[in-house]
Amino acid sequence: NAGVMQNPRHLVRRRGQEARLRCSPMKGHSHVYWYRQLPEEGLKFMVYLQKENIIDESGMPKERFSAEFPKEGPSILRIQQVVRGDSAAYFCASSPGVDEKLFFGSGTQLSVL
Amino acid sequence: GQSLEQPSEVTAVEGAIVQINCTYQTSGFYGLSWYQQHDGGAPTFLSYNALDGLEETGRFSSFLSRSDSYGYLLLQELQMKDSASYFCAVPTTDKLIFGTGTRLQVFP
Repeated sequence: NAGVMQNPRHLVRRRGQEARLRCSPMKGHSHVYWYRQLPEEGLKFMVYLQKENIIDESGMPKERFSAEFPKEGPSILRIQQVVRGDSAAYFCASSPGVDEKLFFGSGTQLSVL
Repeated sequence: GQSLEQPSEVTAVEGAIVQINCTYQTSGFYGLSWYQQHDGGAPTFLSYNALDGLEETGRFSSFLSRSDSYGYLLLQELQMKDSASYFCAVPTTDKLIFGTGTRLQVFP
């Protein structure tokens, strides 16, 4: 049973470009969470999705950031018009339900030049 | 809102015992989780305490006191591979909120 798969592992973008981060949850998991982590800091909650629904996006910036989890395919975190401050590690996690135990992917390291 | 406080760094030698504390303030409380993260790696689940007391899993134990809004992770017989960051976390109704993290460095 494959774990949570994130790609790409590393993503380099220039300011103003778009970044698309993908996350395939573990098989059987319908709950997906996105977290952002800056160096030497903790994990900051961004958004929680179930299939085709955004349940909680209270941690996501109102502009430029969006997330989806379509019926078919991976969850996508999309950052438009990236700025240097968006450089961070973005982790996706999944769970079978609202659960205290999350399974994390290896993350996408976004670098904005 | 929720806040969780942890020491930023702890150091110890191989074979020793170390305790990483976590104090929390939450509007609702369901339990306390612990996660381990090696540099460049994914966070991985270690333990969860829903009730007061000590939960033991091999060399790692986790403790919770709901009345004191306090918990800790206890690591025994430390090994070099235990060098990592450790995060406490509390579940809310729909997400997991993480503490600031404690970086553990184990020396030979």
